[in-house]
Amino acid sequence: KQEVTQIPAALSVPEGENLVLNCSFTDSAIYNLQWFRQDPGKGLTSLLLIQSSQREQTSGRLNASLDKSSGRSTLYIAASQPGDSATYLCAVPDQDAGGTSYGKLTFGQGTILTVHP
Amino acid sequence: DAGVIQSPRHEVTEMGQEVTLRCKPISGHNSLFWYRQTMMRGLELLIYFNNNVPIDDSGMPEDRFSAKMPNASFSTLKIQPSEPRDSAVYFCASSFEAGTDNEKLFFGSGTQLSVL
Repeated sequence: KQEVTQIPAALSVPEGENLVLNCSFTDSAIYNLQWFRQDPGKGLTSLLLIQSSQREQTSGRLNASLDKSSGRSTLYIAASQPGDSATYLCAVPDQDAGGTSYGKLTFGQGTILTVHP
Repeated sequence: DAGVIQSPRHEVTEMGQEVTLRCKPISGHNSLFWYRQTMMRGLELLIYFNNNVPIDDSGMPEDRFSAKMPNASFSTLKIQPSEPRDSAVYFCASSFEAGTDNEKLFFGSGTQLSVL
């Protein structure tokens, strides 16, 4: 059974800092990994999707990397801003014995990020 | 597109009452998921549908929970009878390329359920 762990559980940084959020997963036979953002009282928004054939994906100040062999992914946020404050979750497909997931994802518990001015 | 639409946004009910949560997925998406989120257990997948057919309902906690998808544009999650431990945020999500390496999941805003 796939398990996803995120470290740290919470992070508080001053504005302008570069920071790294970590995600690890137990079953490396995944075909992608997604990072989501969740604002308080809201649903999840997909930030980045890294396919298994890729090593990283970038969107603006966000960069996500994937190392399947070690079961790890990192989300790098450059020049953090107060507006980045949210919970960040990573998720991987939960595949059956035949490798099919139908989009079923296993989520980590998330990292609560606070960026203060 | 308006995104995944859920209703109601908030539901407060008394123990023993029936609760029905509704979801309209993004048009053209062929997979629909119901998740539950609590502080203690995080996000849990309850059930998911592919082309309106339930694929896996092993996450449904008890027989009090049921879900239907009568057509491609509508799904319901019903709890009958409801209990205080069902209090949580229930999310509906949909996807177009589910099961491929390019799948992306789109979430609704959720229904905050409080069972007194």
